[in-house]
Amino acid sequence: GAGVSQSPRYKVAKRGQDVALRCDPISGHVSLFWYQQALGQGPEFLTYFQNEAQLDKSGLPSDRFFAERPEGSVSTLKIQRTQQEDSAVYLCASSLGVGAGSYSNQPQHFGDGTRLSIL
Amino acid sequence: QKEVEQNSGPLSVPEGAIASLNCTYSDRGSQSFFWYRQYSGKSPELIMSIYSNGDKEDGRFTAQLNKASQYVSLLIRDSQPSDSATYLCAVTGNTGKLIFGQGTTLQVKP
Repeated sequence: GAGVSQSPRYKVAKRGQDVALRCDPISGHVSLFWYQQALGQGPEFLTYFQNEAQLDKSGLPSDRFFAERPEGSVSTLKIQRTQQEDSAVYLCASSLGVGAGSYSNQPQHFGDGTRLSIL
Repeated sequence: QKEVEQNSGPLSVPEGAIASLNCTYSDRGSQSFFWYRQYSGKSPELIMSIYSNGDKEDGRFTAQLNKASQYVSLLIRDSQPSDSATYLCAVTGNTGKLIFGQGTTLQVKP
């Protein structure tokens, strides 16, 4: 399909395990974002890539969270030594671009998310 | 004070009525404004984007932006039961990251 694809859709892990969540953005989209959504809340920003460069990781809650986008397309969000408070839906979004000019803050399109449950 | 504030609701309207959803934001430097619809267990779906003061209409939806008062609203005309969902207001500055409100739950009753 032409939309943002995330996998897995559901992930259950035991506390202390490492997990990896994958995002395949819309083809041609320069910008890629990760958000975390707790139940009953709006999504909260985690990190942002422009092509392969991670330009903002201010939202990552701890150094257990790590994201990469090595070739400027697919991105992986990794959580090490998971804790129960990491349980949430992790959303990936992509857009044509961010910033001034023709790429100014293009709308972001979201994938279906990964629902992570830490036992 | 939260950066983006919405009344969590639920907002209940009868079928065929106009639903009015409101959002205020604190950062005067915000540049872009979006409304997303989210059905339970689904991801946010973009409904409207608005970048300048005034009204923007798309079908049954109208977004209104007032930067001086720092609010943005969404009107849904001829509300349908299928419009029942959580509506998320989101704003961005020049960094592009979306800052969301907590969402307003809309219930359209047949």
